[in-house]
Amino acid sequence: NAGVTQTPKFRVLKTGQSMTLLCAQDMNHEYMYWYRQDPGMGLRLIHYSVGEGTTAKGEVPDGYNVSRLKKQNFLLGLESAAPSQTSVYFCASSSRLAVDTDTQYFGPGTRLTVL
Amino acid sequence: AQSVTQLDSHVSVSEGTPVLLRCNYSSSYSPSLFWYVQHPNKGLQLLLKYTSAATLVKGINGFEAEFKKSETSFHLTKPSAHMSDAAEYFCVVTLSGYSTLTFGKGTMLLVSP
Repeated sequence: NAGVTQTPKFRVLKTGQSMTLLCAQDMNHEYMYWYRQDPGMGLRLIHYSVGEGTTAKGEVPDGYNVSRLKKQNFLLGLESAAPSQTSVYFCASSSRLAVDTDTQYFGPGTRLTVL
Repeated sequence: AQSVTQLDSHVSVSEGTPVLLRCNYSSSYSPSLFWYVQHPNKGLQLLLKYTSAATLVKGINGFEAEFKKSETSFHLTKPSAHMSDAAEYFCVVTLSGYSTLTFGKGTMLLVSP
């Protein structure tokens, strides 16, 4: 099992450009999440999904959109990138099973720089 | 509402000495608590989690944490630090049975020879 994978690993954008980050998991998890990590801030939840075709806003959703068309994939989109979106982005997934629903498994991260 | 406070942004220890990383939480309900570790330029790895079973939780790599409800604390300890323990550690809280995590701001552990 690869676990949670993220594509790409690094990206540099110019202000106003758009891009999509892809997260894929092979653990058949129902729940998926996108976080951003900034120095001294810990991880903050951007959006999450509790199942295929569903999405919900997290703590810092502005400037981002997401889609969950397939259970194993969760896409994070930036329609018009801004320098404030320079960050490291982490995807995570977790199971719906009650005994393990709290445990999230993280991908390796995508380092995004917006100039 | 839930929140978590990591009391130290940086902790420095010598190799072979004990490690203590402090975490206090606030939660209206019975929380689940976690410690994650992040090595430089890596993703997050689960060290251990507490979910209302035993209050002393053992994790990987010799780490353990004790849940103290009266003190609303969940401090992470290790008897003897190793150079490979140098990393950033995150204390995390979630409401029991609910999947949205709230992260602390992290504690950077520095280990000197």
